[in-house]
Amino acid sequence: GQNIDQPTEMTATEGAIVQINCTYQTSGFNGLFWYQQHAGEAPTFLSYNVLDGLEEKGRFSSFLSRSKGYSYLLLKELQMKDSASYLCAVREWEIKAAGNKLTFGGGTRVLVKP
Amino acid sequence: EAQVTQNPRYLITVTGKKLTVTCSQNMNHEYMSWYRQDPGLGLRQIYYSMNVEVTDKGDVPEGYKVSRKEKRNFPLILESPSPNQTSLYFCASSSRSIEADTQYFGPGTRLTVL
Repeated sequence: GQNIDQPTEMTATEGAIVQINCTYQTSGFNGLFWYQQHAGEAPTFLSYNVLDGLEEKGRFSSFLSRSKGYSYLLLKELQMKDSASYLCAVREWEIKAAGNKLTFGGGTRVLVKP
Repeated sequence: EAQVTQNPRYLITVTGKKLTVTCSQNMNHEYMSWYRQDPGLGLRQIYYSMNVEVTDKGDVPEGYKVSRKEKRNFPLILESPSPNQTSLYFCASSSRSIEADTQYFGPGTRLTVL
């Protein structure tokens, strides 16, 4: 089983930086995903980490430390359109199912103010 | 265009009236799953399927059924819907490979059970 924690809500100013933390406990860790979800819409893929370190993709970066069970998503140069929920999801290899299972955290709602 | 489609997008029904939400993907993905999303609880997996005729329970399967007779389709069946099944439902699909199974989500189905 898994336990995934992330803050419920964060507020930041346009142009600023926000860091969303995610901690997890799992066996069979096989990768961590970040998704963005605007209200009422489907989640869309942002980033994927399976090895320790930082992955940078334009204004968004994601970091992973497997030994600490910790990841963060960094959003730089915030824009109004970045107001959304950000979902941390941990992939776990399940021997029983001979495949991967993806479990989501509760999501962090980010509000960007002018 | 690679996509996951769901129908209907919105549905209001009454307690006990059987309903089916369809899900179809055109990416030849082996893995498909259903999630429900409720405020404060994030995305929770209902059922998943590793391939044709292979399905298994997720974290919240009670009150739901699924079938996987063809690779592209994965319908969600509520035999006797109840008000606590009012939720936003997402279907998702992914390749089964360990390295590359980012999930693609359908647009969502908002279900209200009166």
